[in-house]
Amino acid sequence: GEDVEQSLFLSVREGDSSVINCTYTDSSSTYLYWYKQEPGAGLQLLTYIFSNMDMKQDQRLTVLLNKKDKHLSLRIADTQTGDSAIYFCADVSGTYKYIFGTGTRLKVLA
Amino acid sequence: DTEVTQTPKHLVMGMTNKKSLKCEQHMGHRAMYWYKQKAKKPPELMFVYSYEKLSINESVPSRFSPECPNSSLLNLHLHALQPEDSALYLCASSQEGVRQSNTDTQYFGPGTRLTVL
Repeated sequence: GEDVEQSLFLSVREGDSSVINCTYTDSSSTYLYWYKQEPGAGLQLLTYIFSNMDMKQDQRLTVLLNKKDKHLSLRIADTQTGDSAIYFCADVSGTYKYIFGTGTRLKVLA
Repeated sequence: DTEVTQTPKHLVMGMTNKKSLKCEQHMGHRAMYWYKQKAKKPPELMFVYSYEKLSINESVPSRFSPECPNSSLLNLHLHALQPEDSALYLCASSQEGVRQSNTDTQYFGPGTRLTVL
């Protein structure tokens, strides 16, 4: 079956850039998503990228997609303590079904 | 407005209780979802309703019973749960569920934290 993998943990200093990586296996993916989950909360949609794009920028967020390598990344510029959370990438597999990555816990050090 | 609301925020129940979780959205979305999320894990899909009809049941035990009374509401009825069912239950909705379209972008509610004693 399809698999989506992420590194489990990332620690950065406040003001630095964070890069969260994701690899997926479904070559027919059309949209790929990034969600943020703060402790005890639901998933907040951050951004998504269409598979025919290489890059999408939205304020402090930059999404890079390498479709050949099936690699997706999320860059957060000027990382703040409020960015501390778990970040999930998600691929769409069939109608209605998201395949979530394992989640990357981002810790921002003041 | 991309808001999905869920009630209650927290629920503690015994194994013999019957309770219900509620989810509501007013975005005109026609697909609604229930997920279960254990600590430090990604959400796991339980059920999907599309146009108020059950489209997907991911082999969920019958002690979980979903209901979609109308296009804005989704309930999850709970009966005779086990302690291992303790988790965060997330509701989500999307415009539709058509693949290869951004109409399947899912918007999540804040979740209900369920504890089964």
